[in-house]
Amino acid sequence: SQQGEEDPQALSIQEGENATMNCSYKTSINNLQWYRQNSGRGLVHLILIRSNEREKHSGRLRVTLDTSKKSSSLLITASRAADTASYFCATDGGANNLFFGTGTRLTVIP
Amino acid sequence: EAGVAQSPRYKIIEKRQSVAFWCNPISGHATLYWYQQILGQGPKLLIQFQNNGVVDDSQLPKDRFSAERLKGVDSTLKIQPAKLEDSAVYLCASSLTGGGFGEQYFGPGTRLTVT
Repeated sequence: SQQGEEDPQALSIQEGENATMNCSYKTSINNLQWYRQNSGRGLVHLILIRSNEREKHSGRLRVTLDTSKKSSSLLITASRAADTASYFCATDGGANNLFFGTGTRLTVIP
Repeated sequence: EAGVAQSPRYKIIEKRQSVAFWCNPISGHATLYWYQQILGQGPKLLIQFQNNGVVDDSQLPKDRFSAERLKGVDSTLKIQPAKLEDSAVYLCASSLTGGGFGEQYFGPGTRLTVT
């Protein structure tokens, strides 16, 4: 399967702490994307990192990519209650479509 | 800009009945996708259209699922007959570029319950 796997499956932190979630995948990729899903706004794109990039930032988000280990991490700094959601990594697997992982459920406690 | 629109938002049917979902993508987006998301899992691609042509339908259960995108804009996804295991959220998405090469914009989804 080309599907990625996120780790941990669930994460609970206090507001203001940092949250780190990881994604591992199996095939070579052109890019890797992270999405967030909550009941209020549905599934929303967060960030895309290309296979020739190692790190990317967007606001409080930092994404790293290690193609030699076929893994990526998403760091959310200074978390807020509004960050409570499920986070998915998605890879193209070198193909013409996206393969989503199983997700990390993040709970930020106020 | 207006987002991806889907209807209905919720649908409850009995097994062996048929159901149809509708999607209107973001204006100008050539690529349209239908995903199935079972509770607790990530979205799984069912079918991808580029304009009104099918790019990938390898994971679409063609014995019961069908989809069309007339005139390269709106799309409908149909299930006939439905099975209990079809209970899921059906997400429509669109993008400017094809496949995994760019950001996809998702609609709110249709939550289907098959009893």
